Amino acid sequence: DIQMTQSPSSLSASVGDRVTITCRASQDISIYLAWYQQKPGKVPKLLMYAASTLQPGVPSRFSGSGSGTDFTLTISSLQPEDVGTYYCQKCDSAPWAFGRGTKVEIK
Amino acid sequence: QLQLQESGSGLVKPSETLSLTCDVSGGSIIRGGYSWSWIRQPPGKGLEWIGYIYHNGITHYNASLKSRVTISLDRSKNQFSLKLGSVTAADTALYFCASSPRYFQGMDVWGQGTTVIVSS
Repeated sequence: DIQMTQSPSSLSASVGDRVTITCRASQDISIYLAWYQQKPGKVPKLLMYAASTLQPGVPSRFSGSGSGTDFTLTISSLQPEDVGTYYCQKCDSAPWAFGRGTKVEIK
Repeated sequence: QLQLQESGSGLVKPSETLSLTCDVSGGSIIRGGYSWSWIRQPPGKGLEWIGYIYHNGITHYNASLKSRVTISLDRSKNQFSLKLGSVTAADTALYFCASSPRYFQGMDVWGQGTTVIVSS
């Protein structure tokens, strides 16, 4: 089965910083990658799918890129409300899988 | 607007079967293209995809759980269910149900989650 590896596992950045999270698939998954945000104590929220298509209502400071095996999630200007854990998920053919998550904190 | 709500046994004894149901409101569970998933999150840990069932009843499971998992649809009640057999303490987690309108679009609607504790 395809494994999803995220890095870093955690990061601390200042408000206004540009933040980048990486997700790597162990095999080619084309563009079939989704990103989720889970705020502390909350339900995961879909941020984007197909590597770069933002869900309605997601702030434009979030962007995604990549295809094949390497993907990135970028927050162009980190805000206090962006604190939480971010997960990538392969959503091509089954079985699906999540990365282990990247915890984002404010410095 | 689609809404999902989990329910079921919150405390399960080791070696027994965990049973959860996800009630779907705001849309039909047999709408074309949709898949209905179960995901779990052990305390303090990340998300684990358990499996999904398509609108037509076809299922796919996480290989690590496949021998113990069954996901089924109940069209008459507009709900889908999870059964996980031979549970151990490692199955203690917050269990979510979620839906995906097309496989490549991610899971855009989630239930609030229900906690299951495996303990004697």
